[in-house]
Amino acid sequence: KQEVTQIPAALSVPEGENLVLNCSFTDSAIYNLQWFRQDPGKGLTSLLLIQSSQREQTSGRLNASLDKSSGRSTLYIAASQPGDSATYLCAVLKAAGNKLTFGGGTRVLVKP
Amino acid sequence: DTGVSQNPRHKITKRGQNVTFRCDPISEHNRLYWYRQTLGQGPEFLTYFQNEAQLEKSRLLSDRFSAERPKGSFSTLEIQRTEQGDSAMYLCASSFGWGPGEQYFGPGTRLTVT
Repeated sequence: KQEVTQIPAALSVPEGENLVLNCSFTDSAIYNLQWFRQDPGKGLTSLLLIQSSQREQTSGRLNASLDKSSGRSTLYIAASQPGDSATYLCAVLKAAGNKLTFGGGTRVLVKP
Repeated sequence: DTGVSQNPRHKITKRGQNVTFRCDPISEHNRLYWYRQTLGQGPEFLTYFQNEAQLEKSRLLSDRFSAERPKGSFSTLEIQRTEQGDSAMYLCASSFGWGPGEQYFGPGTRLTVT
């Protein structure tokens, strides 16, 4: 059974500092991995999707890496801003699967 | 493309009542998924449809839960005889294609059972 873990569960940084969020998964037979952002009481906004054949994806200040063999992904957010405060979730889709398995999320607070 | 929409956004009900939620996927998306998220946790898969066929159900989906997707368009999720443990955010997502693909999520329906 696939298990996804996100550490730390919460993170507080001063504005301008780079954020590093970690995600690990137990079964390396994945089809893709997605990073999502969730604001309090809201739905999920997809940030980046990495196919299993890719090593990384970039969008603006966001960069996500994937090491499938070791079961790890890292989301980097450069030069954090107070507007980046949210919960970040990673989720994996197993090969030939249909459901996303989510981690518990990392709650980020960027202090002005 | 107006995105995935869900109604209602919030629902407060008393224990024992039945509730129904609706999800409208992105047009032309043939796959539709339901997830449940409790406070402080990541979402958990409940069920998914390919067109009108319900192809997979989680063990979380007890016999009090039923989901439908008539004509392969919108979907409804009904919970009968609600319990306090049903209080959660119910998220709907859709994707396009005949295999795994990127899932797009709606804003969710927050259910509170008193």
